[in-house]
Amino acid sequence: DSGVTQTPKHLITATGQRVTLRCSPRSGDLSVYWYQQSLDQGLQFLIQYYNGEERAKGNILERFSAQQFPDLHSELNLSSLELGDSALYFCASSAGLAGGEQYFGPGTRLTVT
Amino acid sequence: QQPVQSPQAVILREGEDAVINCSSSKALYSVHWYRQKHGEAPVFLMILLKGGEQKGHDKISASFNEKKQQSSLYLTASQLSYSGTYFCGTEIGDYKLSFGAGTTVTVRA
Repeated sequence: DSGVTQTPKHLITATGQRVTLRCSPRSGDLSVYWYQQSLDQGLQFLIQYYNGEERAKGNILERFSAQQFPDLHSELNLSSLELGDSALYFCASSAGLAGGEQYFGPGTRLTVT
Repeated sequence: QQPVQSPQAVILREGEDAVINCSSSKALYSVHWYRQKHGEAPVFLMILLKGGEQKGHDKISASFNEKKQQSSLYLTASQLSYSGTYFCGTEIGDYKLSFGAGTTVTVRA
């Protein structure tokens, strides 16, 4: 158990819909990262927040957005969902701004039908 | 920017050794290694920073050749528990980890 929690575990929704994935980092960790893992794209970095501020952006679509709240939990919002958005979405946390080990949550499996 | 990992897959008998390579076309600040078992989250193994330091985690060690922008992960005297997919993640100083496609390791009794 990494100490990172993610909800929900599974999510099934239809194309065009909007969903919100939630992540709580390990106690004391200030950085939260979001990753998308699919069979054809592998593990892709989406975005990083540090202490409430966006710090780095990866291959995140404009239809996706994220935020980190004062209590350090984070949410990833996915809108206008397409079939290709079906994937495993991981949240990870680390203590500092950069360079440290990242602890991954169990993931949210999103299926878009 | 995605690092290239080789081999794609390797099958070992318990007790055998293996090497997984990770190479980048960009100058690297750090290399991270993770292992992911089927249906589970990636688990952190180790980080190597610029300086070529070699690190170890039980009988798993890694090296980082800064000049060649390459890292290698060494699985020594493999155990059944070593089975999984190994990912290298590379960082060029921009806070973003780019992961390789992974190397699937199967250790058989």
